[in-house]
Amino acid sequence: QQQVKQSPQSLIVQKGGISIINCAYENTAFDYFPWYQQFPGKGPALLIAIRPDVSEKKEGRFTISFNKSAKQFSLHIMDSQPGDSATYFCAASMLVSTLTFGKGTMLLVSP
Amino acid sequence: NAGVTQTPKFQVLKTGQSMTLQCAQDMNHNSMYWYRQDPGMGLRLIYYSASEGTTDKGEVPNGYNVSRLNKREFSLRLESAAPSQTSVYFCASSEPYQETQYFGPGTRLLVL
Repeated sequence: QQQVKQSPQSLIVQKGGISIINCAYENTAFDYFPWYQQFPGKGPALLIAIRPDVSEKKEGRFTISFNKSAKQFSLHIMDSQPGDSATYFCAASMLVSTLTFGKGTMLLVSP
Repeated sequence: NAGVTQTPKFQVLKTGQSMTLQCAQDMNHNSMYWYRQDPGMGLRLIYYSASEGTTDKGEVPNGYNVSRLNKREFSLRLESAAPSQTSVYFCASSEPYQETQYFGPGTRLLVL
């Protein structure tokens, strides 16, 4: 049973546009929601994370929006750049559990 | 400060062969993890070790064994490799649970 559903599988955005990746979760006990970024041939790296006591968290061009009632959270990349081309994974966990990852979104930002 | 290191980087095995993937971290983290990454399947947890001396199964443990050799090292063993174990394997470390996981560069395994 997949506990974190991520969409879309792939995304092409023009340079300067907004990239939006969505995730939905089922387990209401989840209380930590990170996003990881992975470049080809590399391991994933933490990009940004949010806890459900806030509805939005922004770090530079990257923003997480969180909707607790809908059990959904999303990553917005403003002013997308070719260097943002990577695979993005959402994830979720409870306090004393391991991370459950979504299946990933391959983002391509065209010049 | 190398972070998380994995060896080997790439390996080809024949069905039935065994091998051990090595992982080491120099960040003094208590928790370590082994994931496999397959196209369209995301990152799936194989085994993890919340602290030195403990190991637990993740989502896809069948066909694998692990050893937490000490606080720094966590190895993954395939006793009898199968083509279904062709994958990219990542080791990660963190402080327990809801802290940043730091991933190694991965081991690409091909089982023929």
